[in-house]
Amino acid sequence: GEDVEQSLFLSVREGDSSVINCTYTDSSSTYLYWYKQEPGAGLQLLTYIFSNMDMKQDQRLTVLLNKKDKHLSLRIADTQTGDSAIYFCAAPRDSGYSTLTFGKGTMLLVSP
Amino acid sequence: EAGVTQSPTHLIKTRGQQATLRCSPISGHTSVYWYQQALGLGLQFLLWYDEGEERNRGNFPPRFSGRQFPNYSSELNVNALELEDSALYLCASSGGNTETQYFGPGTRLLVL
Repeated sequence: GEDVEQSLFLSVREGDSSVINCTYTDSSSTYLYWYKQEPGAGLQLLTYIFSNMDMKQDQRLTVLLNKKDKHLSLRIADTQTGDSAIYFCAAPRDSGYSTLTFGKGTMLLVSP
Repeated sequence: EAGVTQSPTHLIKTRGQQATLRCSPISGHTSVYWYQQALGLGLQFLLWYDEGEERNRGNFPPRFSGRQFPNYSSELNVNALELEDSALYLCASSGGNTETQYFGPGTRLLVL
């Protein structure tokens, strides 16, 4: 099955860029996802990237995928205090199944 | 368009009791997924229902069970509650042309 690893904590200043990294093990993953969880809330889908893409940009968010190294990153430009949350990387749990394996989440703290 | 809804938002039970959690998917979605988010353990996949059938199950004991109704809403039942069942239970749905999962706000279960 899939295994997903993330760094646990990132602290940045408002206006800086944030980069959250993720590694996964199953090279057959079709889609890779980033979700955001604010305190006491459910998961909000931020963005996703198809495995045949290297990069996807969506407003302040840029996702980079390095399939050779099985490395995924999420860059948030001009980070705001409202971006403070836990960010989860997720990949399909088993090849052919729709269920997801999540990393343990990266807590992003943005200070003014 | 309404998102995934879950009820109740909070649930307090004592050890040995049964808990029933409910989820309504996004209109048009036929798949429902349940995840457990316990402190320190991250998000763990519990169950996947599609078209009324259980399609996949995570590494949880049989006292975790559920069902999906003809209108695609779903119930998660947890029997013989244990203290370590205290967690946020998240429901997600997917459907149409995409496997992308959209999450509800969760039910926070506290077992005393």
